[in-house]
Amino acid sequence: DQQVKQNSPSLSVQEGRISILNCDYTNSMFDYFLWYKKYPAEGPTFLISISSIKDKNEDGRFTVFLNKSAKHLSLHIVPSQPGDSAVYFCAASGGFGNEKLTFGTGTRLTIIP
Amino acid sequence: NAGVTQTPKFQVLKTGQSMTLQCAQDMNHEYMSWYRQDPGMGLRLIHYSVGAGITDQGEVPNGYNVSRSTTEDFPLRLLSAAPSQTSVYFCASSYGGTGGTEAFFGQGTRLTVV
Repeated sequence: DQQVKQNSPSLSVQEGRISILNCDYTNSMFDYFLWYKKYPAEGPTFLISISSIKDKNEDGRFTVFLNKSAKHLSLHIVPSQPGDSAVYFCAASGGFGNEKLTFGTGTRLTIIP
Repeated sequence: NAGVTQTPKFQVLKTGQSMTLQCAQDMNHEYMSWYRQDPGMGLRLIHYSVGAGITDQGEVPNGYNVSRSTTEDFPLRLLSAAPSQTSVYFCASSYGGTGGTEAFFGQGTRLTVV
């Protein structure tokens, strides 16, 4: 049972435009959500996170939106740059005392110059 | 600051062989975990530890053992390798204790079992 779902395996976006990556979850006990970026032959690196008490968190070109009622979050990248081409994983945890991360299957983002 | 270090980076095993994947972190993190990444399946949790002497099973623990004798090290043991264990393995660490804190990942170990 996939508790965190990324339904788009791949996404292509023109350089300079907005990239929107989506993630859905089913477990209402998840309390914290994170996005990781992964280049080939490297480990995932943390990008941005959001607590369930917020609906938006922004860090430079990256913004994560959380819709708890829909159990949906999205990552917006504006403007998209060639270096953003990577696989993006959405992850969720149960908060204090339950830090295990449950990952989605990933979305491969390709930025077209 | 080395962060999370995994060794080896690549390994080929024959079915039935055993081996240990090493993981060390120098950030004094309490929480460490092992994941495997397979095509189309994201990262799945194998085992995790919330501190020295404490380990627990994740989503896919069968065929793997772990121990945590120190804060720094969290080795993953394959007892009798099977082709189904061909995967890329990632070790991660985080502060833990406050929920949802950022996890730092190692570079990964690509394991092939023939």
